[in-house]
Amino acid sequence: GIQVEQSPPDLILQEGANSTLRCNFSDSVNNLQWFHQNPWGQLINLFYIPSGTKQNGRLSATTVATERYSLLYISSSQTTDSGVYFCAVARYGNNRLAFGKGNQVVVIP
Amino acid sequence: SAVISQKPSRDICQRGTSLTIQCQVDSQVTMMFWYRQQPGQSLTLIATANQGSEATYESGFVIDKFPISRPNLTFSTLTVSNMSPEDSSIYLCSVEPGSDETQYFGPGTRLLVL
Repeated sequence: GIQVEQSPPDLILQEGANSTLRCNFSDSVNNLQWFHQNPWGQLINLFYIPSGTKQNGRLSATTVATERYSLLYISSSQTTDSGVYFCAVARYGNNRLAFGKGNQVVVIP
Repeated sequence: SAVISQKPSRDICQRGTSLTIQCQVDSQVTMMFWYRQQPGQSLTLIATANQGSEATYESGFVIDKFPISRPNLTFSTLTVSNMSPEDSSIYLCSVEPGSDETQYFGPGTRLLVL
Protein backbone atom coordinates (compact mmCIF):
# COMPACT_ATOMS: atom_id res chain seq x y z
CA GLY A 1 0.00 0.00 0.00
CA ILE A 2 0.91 3.67 -0.15
CA GLN A 3 3.32 4.90 2.51
CA VAL A 4 2.63 8.32 4.03
CA GLU A 5 5.29 10.08 6.06
CA GLN A 6 4.69 13.26 7.99
CA SER A 7 7.26 15.58 9.50
CA PRO A 8 7.99 16.87 12.02
CA PRO A 9 6.27 14.38 14.33
CA ASP A 10 6.11 16.89 17.18
CA LEU A 11 6.15 20.67 17.15
CA ILE A 12 5.87 23.24 19.93
CA LEU A 13 5.00 26.76 18.83
CA GLN A 14 4.78 30.08 20.56
CA GLU A 15 1.43 31.72 19.93
CA GLY A 16 1.70 33.95 16.87
CA ALA A 17 4.42 31.90 15.20
CA ASN A 18 4.21 30.36 11.73
CA SER A 19 4.88 26.71 10.88
CA THR A 20 5.04 24.29 7.99
CA LEU A 21 4.01 20.64 8.16
CA ARG A 22 5.11 18.22 5.46
CA CYS A 23 3.54 15.07 4.01
CA ASN A 24 5.48 12.76 1.67
CA PHE A 25 3.81 9.86 -0.07
CA SER A 26 5.26 6.89 -1.92
CA ASP A 27 3.02 6.59 -4.98
CA SER A 28 0.86 8.62 -7.35
CA VAL A 29 -2.36 9.78 -5.76
CA ASN A 30 -5.35 11.77 -6.90
CA ASN A 31 -6.87 12.20 -3.46
CA LEU A 32 -5.09 14.01 -0.63
CA GLN A 33 -6.72 15.46 2.44
CA TRP A 34 -5.51 17.24 5.56
CA PHE A 35 -7.34 16.79 8.85
CA HIS A 36 -7.03 18.34 12.28
CA GLN A 37 -7.82 16.21 15.32
CA ASN A 38 -8.49 18.44 18.30
CA PRO A 39 -7.60 17.44 21.86
CA TRP A 40 -11.12 16.03 22.30
CA GLY A 41 -10.64 13.64 19.40
CA GLN A 42 -12.86 15.26 16.79
CA LEU A 43 -11.45 15.08 13.25
CA ILE A 44 -12.06 18.13 11.09
CA ASN A 45 -11.41 18.16 7.38
CA LEU A 46 -9.15 21.11 6.54
CA PHE A 47 -8.45 20.63 2.85
CA TYR A 48 -9.13 18.33 -0.03
CA ILE A 49 -6.07 19.10 -2.12
CA PRO A 50 -4.80 16.47 -4.58
CA SER A 51 -2.86 19.22 -6.37
CA GLY A 52 -2.34 22.96 -6.33
CA THR A 53 -2.74 25.48 -3.53
CA LYS A 54 -5.68 26.39 -1.33
CA GLN A 55 -6.14 28.85 1.51
CA ASN A 56 -8.66 29.00 4.32
CA GLY A 57 -8.07 31.81 6.77
CA ARG A 58 -4.74 31.33 8.52
CA LEU A 59 -4.26 27.90 7.00
CA SER A 60 -3.05 27.12 3.52
CA ALA A 61 -1.92 23.97 1.75
CA THR A 62 0.09 23.13 -1.33
CA THR A 63 0.39 19.76 -3.03
CA VAL A 64 3.00 19.01 -5.67
CA ALA A 65 1.67 15.72 -6.96
CA THR A 66 4.51 15.13 -9.42
CA GLU A 67 7.02 15.29 -6.55
CA ARG A 68 4.76 13.40 -4.13
CA TYR A 69 4.54 15.85 -1.28
CA SER A 70 2.13 18.25 0.34
CA LEU A 71 2.68 21.12 2.76
CA LEU A 72 0.33 22.60 5.32
CA TYR A 73 1.08 26.14 6.49
CA ILE A 74 -0.18 27.55 9.76
CA SER A 75 0.26 31.29 10.12
CA SER A 76 -0.10 33.38 13.28
CA SER A 77 -0.76 30.23 15.31
CA GLN A 78 -3.31 30.25 18.11
CA THR A 79 -3.75 27.89 21.04
CA THR A 80 -6.82 26.46 19.32
CA ASP A 81 -4.50 25.18 16.58
CA SER A 82 -3.14 22.61 19.03
CA GLY A 83 -3.84 18.98 18.19
CA VAL A 84 -2.73 16.42 15.65
CA TYR A 85 -2.65 17.15 11.93
CA PHE A 86 -3.11 14.15 9.65
CA CYS A 87 -2.38 13.81 5.98
CA ALA A 88 -4.33 11.09 4.16
CA VAL A 89 -4.05 9.91 0.56
CA ALA A 90 -5.70 7.54 -1.88
CA ARG A 91 -5.05 6.43 -5.43
CA TYR A 92 -7.22 7.26 -8.42
CA GLY A 93 -10.68 5.71 -8.24
CA ASN A 94 -9.97 4.49 -4.73
CA ASN A 95 -11.59 6.25 -1.79
CA ARG A 96 -9.75 4.19 0.79
CA LEU A 97 -7.61 6.73 2.60
CA ALA A 98 -4.20 5.83 3.99
CA PHE A 99 -3.24 8.08 6.90
CA GLY A 100 0.16 9.27 7.99
CA LYS A 101 1.17 9.13 11.64
CA GLY A 102 0.37 12.78 12.14
CA ASN A 103 2.05 15.97 13.30
CA GLN A 104 1.46 16.66 17.01
CA VAL A 105 1.31 20.46 17.40
CA VAL A 106 1.22 22.29 20.71
CA VAL A 107 0.76 26.06 20.69
CA ILE A 108 1.69 27.74 23.95
CA PRO A 109 0.48 31.21 24.93
CA SER B 1 -20.49 18.76 4.42
CA ALA B 2 -22.46 16.35 6.62
CA VAL B 3 -23.57 16.05 10.21
CA ILE B 4 -22.62 12.66 11.60
CA SER B 5 -23.53 11.19 14.97
CA GLN B 6 -22.27 8.04 16.64
CA LYS B 7 -23.65 6.01 19.49
CA PRO B 8 -22.42 5.24 22.05
CA SER B 9 -19.88 8.01 22.49
CA ARG B 10 -17.92 5.80 24.87
CA ASP B 11 -18.22 2.47 26.60
CA ILE B 12 -16.37 0.16 28.94
CA CYS B 13 -16.85 -3.52 28.16
CA GLN B 14 -15.76 -6.86 29.50
CA ARG B 15 -13.60 -9.13 27.39
CA GLY B 16 -15.50 -11.75 25.42
CA THR B 17 -18.54 -9.52 24.90
CA SER B 18 -19.61 -7.65 21.75
CA LEU B 19 -20.51 -4.00 21.16
CA THR B 20 -22.45 -2.51 18.27
CA ILE B 21 -21.64 1.05 17.26
CA GLN B 22 -24.14 3.12 15.30
CA CYS B 23 -23.39 5.83 12.75
CA GLN B 24 -26.14 8.18 11.57
CA VAL B 25 -25.78 10.79 8.81
CA ASP B 26 -28.09 13.72 8.12
CA SER B 27 -28.10 13.12 4.36
CA GLN B 28 -28.05 10.17 2.00
CA VAL B 29 -24.55 9.01 1.14
CA THR B 30 -23.33 6.19 -1.02
CA MET B 31 -20.10 5.39 0.75
CA MET B 32 -19.49 5.06 4.46
CA PHE B 33 -16.20 4.08 6.05
CA TRP B 34 -15.22 2.64 9.42
CA TYR B 35 -11.83 3.41 10.96
CA ARG B 36 -10.00 2.37 14.10
CA GLN B 37 -7.61 4.62 16.01
CA GLN B 38 -5.62 2.77 18.64
CA PRO B 39 -4.30 4.78 21.60
CA GLY B 40 -1.74 7.35 20.46
CA GLN B 41 -1.82 6.04 16.89
CA SER B 42 -3.06 7.10 13.49
CA LEU B 43 -6.26 6.00 11.79
CA THR B 44 -6.56 2.63 10.06
CA LEU B 45 -9.39 1.83 7.67
CA ILE B 46 -11.38 -1.22 8.73
CA ALA B 47 -13.90 -1.46 5.90
CA THR B 48 -15.96 0.37 3.32
CA ALA B 49 -19.74 -0.03 3.60
CA ASN B 50 -21.96 0.58 0.60
CA GLN B 51 -25.72 0.27 0.82
CA GLY B 52 -27.05 -2.91 -0.72
CA SER B 53 -23.78 -4.78 -0.86
CA GLU B 54 -21.37 -6.58 1.43
CA ALA B 55 -18.81 -4.45 3.18
CA THR B 56 -15.27 -4.52 1.77
CA TYR B 57 -12.68 -5.23 4.46
CA GLU B 58 -9.06 -4.12 4.52
CA SER B 59 -6.20 -6.50 5.07
CA GLY B 60 -6.07 -7.59 8.69
CA PHE B 61 -9.77 -7.12 9.35
CA VAL B 62 -12.39 -9.86 8.97
CA ILE B 63 -16.15 -9.94 8.90
CA ASP B 64 -16.44 -12.39 11.80
CA LYS B 65 -14.65 -9.94 14.09
CA PHE B 66 -16.12 -6.70 12.69
CA PRO B 67 -19.52 -7.39 11.10
CA ILE B 68 -21.00 -4.33 9.42
CA SER B 69 -24.56 -3.52 8.41
CA ARG B 70 -25.68 -0.82 5.98
CA PRO B 71 -29.47 -1.04 5.81
CA ASN B 72 -30.01 2.35 4.13
CA LEU B 73 -28.20 5.42 2.81
CA THR B 74 -28.08 7.27 6.15
CA PHE B 75 -27.15 4.58 8.65
CA SER B 76 -24.55 1.92 9.38
CA THR B 77 -23.45 -0.22 12.30
CA LEU B 78 -20.10 -1.77 13.20
CA THR B 79 -19.96 -4.60 15.73
CA VAL B 80 -16.79 -5.40 17.60
CA SER B 81 -17.14 -9.09 18.46
CA ASN B 82 -15.61 -11.21 21.17
CA MET B 83 -13.65 -8.25 22.46
CA SER B 84 -10.20 -8.33 24.01
CA PRO B 85 -8.20 -5.49 25.61
CA GLU B 86 -6.39 -5.05 22.27
CA ASP B 87 -9.69 -3.81 20.81
CA SER B 88 -9.56 -0.75 23.06
CA SER B 89 -9.58 2.09 20.53
CA ILE B 90 -11.56 4.94 19.11
CA TYR B 91 -13.87 3.76 16.32
CA LEU B 92 -14.86 6.38 13.77
CA CYS B 93 -17.21 6.41 10.83
CA SER B 94 -16.82 8.76 7.89
CA VAL B 95 -18.74 9.65 4.76
CA GLU B 96 -18.24 11.30 1.38
CA PRO B 97 -21.39 13.36 0.94
CA GLY B 98 -20.42 15.49 -2.03
CA SER B 99 -19.30 15.17 -5.62
CA ASP B 100 -15.66 15.43 -4.63
CA GLU B 101 -13.95 12.91 -2.37
CA THR B 102 -13.82 14.98 0.80
CA GLN B 103 -14.43 12.80 3.84
CA TYR B 104 -16.18 13.94 7.00
CA PHE B 105 -15.87 12.12 10.29
CA GLY B 106 -18.19 11.38 13.13
CA PRO B 107 -17.18 12.21 16.71
CA GLY B 108 -15.97 8.66 17.37
CA THR B 109 -16.77 5.94 19.91
CA ARG B 110 -14.18 5.46 22.65
CA LEU B 111 -14.06 1.83 23.65
CA LEU B 112 -12.20 0.41 26.63
CA VAL B 113 -12.12 -3.36 27.04
CA LEU B 114 -11.20 -4.73 30.46
